[in-house]
Amino acid sequence: GQQLNQSPQSMFIQEGEDVSMNCTSSSIFNTWLWYKQEPGEGPVLLIALYKAGELTSNGRLTAQFGITRKDSFLNISASIPSDVGIYFCAGLDSNYQLIWGAGTKLIIKP
Amino acid sequence: GAGVSQTPSNKVTEKGKYVELRCDPISGHTALYWYRQSLGQGPEFLIYFQGTGAADDSGLPNDRFFAVRPEGSVSTLKIQRTERGDSAVYLCASSYSVRGTGELFFGEGSRLTVL
Repeated sequence: GQQLNQSPQSMFIQEGEDVSMNCTSSSIFNTWLWYKQEPGEGPVLLIALYKAGELTSNGRLTAQFGITRKDSFLNISASIPSDVGIYFCAGLDSNYQLIWGAGTKLIIKP
Repeated sequence: GAGVSQTPSNKVTEKGKYVELRCDPISGHTALYWYRQSLGQGPEFLIYFQGTGAADDSGLPNDRFFAVRPEGSVSTLKIQRTERGDSAVYLCASSYSVRGTGELFFGEGSRLTVL
């Protein structure tokens, strides 16, 4: 089946640092999405990308839809404590199925 | 509240028992999804409803799993003869549009533990 490889698996960062995570696939996707999940909650949509090469920002978050349509990255600038959580990439395939990565866990060092 | 509501938030049951999990989507959302999430993994698709009908049930793992949405709003996921491997968080999501954008609103999930 289709798989998304999301990396890194986890990140320990200092408050104020920039963060970068990415997602790659063996298949082409028509849409890439980034969700964030906090403990005890469902995922919340952060950014949706619909076009290859598209670069979209949402506050301190910036995401790009790779030109090959097989990858995407998410950057968070100047991280703050409330950024902690698990970030998931998801790709929408040609059957309109959302395929999810395993997540990147963001932890802020005290 | 205005979000997706799921009940119960936690359910502990014994192997072999029957379980029902309920989802109340955002008012006006015609699309409803059920996902299953195991620890350390992303959500795994189970079933998608457009209105009252199950438009895609290809993710249901076997015939012990069944879901209904009789009036096009509230949905119930039913699991028969539960097994320990069914333990997971079951997430419900809804969307205002037909399937195609991936933009979903999730509930907080129902954590199922099968002893």
